[in-house]
Amino acid sequence: DGGITQSPKYLFRKEGQNVTLSCEQNLNHDAMYWYRQDPGQGLRLIYYSQIVNDFQKGDIAEGYSVSREKKESFPLTVTSAQKNPTAFYLCASSSSSGVGSYEQYFGPGTRLTVT
Amino acid sequence: AQSVTQLGSHVSVSEGALVLLRCNYSSSVPPYLFWYVQYPNQGLQLLLKYTSAATLVKGINGFEAEFKKSETSFHLTKPSAHMSDAAEYFCATGGSYIPTFGRGTSLIVHP
Repeated sequence: DGGITQSPKYLFRKEGQNVTLSCEQNLNHDAMYWYRQDPGQGLRLIYYSQIVNDFQKGDIAEGYSVSREKKESFPLTVTSAQKNPTAFYLCASSSSSGVGSYEQYFGPGTRLTVT
Repeated sequence: AQSVTQLGSHVSVSEGALVLLRCNYSSSVPPYLFWYVQYPNQGLQLLLKYTSAATLVKGINGFEAEFKKSETSFHLTKPSAHMSDAAEYFCATGGSYIPTFGRGTSLIVHP
């Protein structure tokens, strides 16, 4: 079955440590996204990538970094510079071919807790 | 700029009652609109989408939404709520690389 996988489901880190969240998709989608979700704040876009080896900052990119070396993979690193990293992180992808609706397909999410 | 407004952060209904979740969009929004559902501690999944083919759109789990251009609305409805419908619902735009999501509405279903 095609889809998006995120690992791990739950992640615990000590303050000051960098941590990398994994996101893999086998939908052959060009575009991939990272969102952060906090209670009552909806989805906030961290980074997105329209094509391999290219990515753009979203609304809250400070303290985060990404890479897009393969079409299938879009890992997110939460650095120690992120002031409040505890949150639920969602990865998504969408097809960008032609004129389409660009509906998004989401992974199951990773809940990061930093203490 | 595009915007999507979901009226009411929480909606509470009794099991068997009508569900109505409201979504209004800005007039500059492309002609693609979505409703997504998120169950606790899970990712979002597509409930239904409007792509200008028909103004009344049917989705999964008995939900439907009607696109009303004159009211710039895309409200989500279900005739009879079920306990399993309790979740967070998001209205969103489409048609471009960067969607705009509403803040979400939490549906609470009472027995």
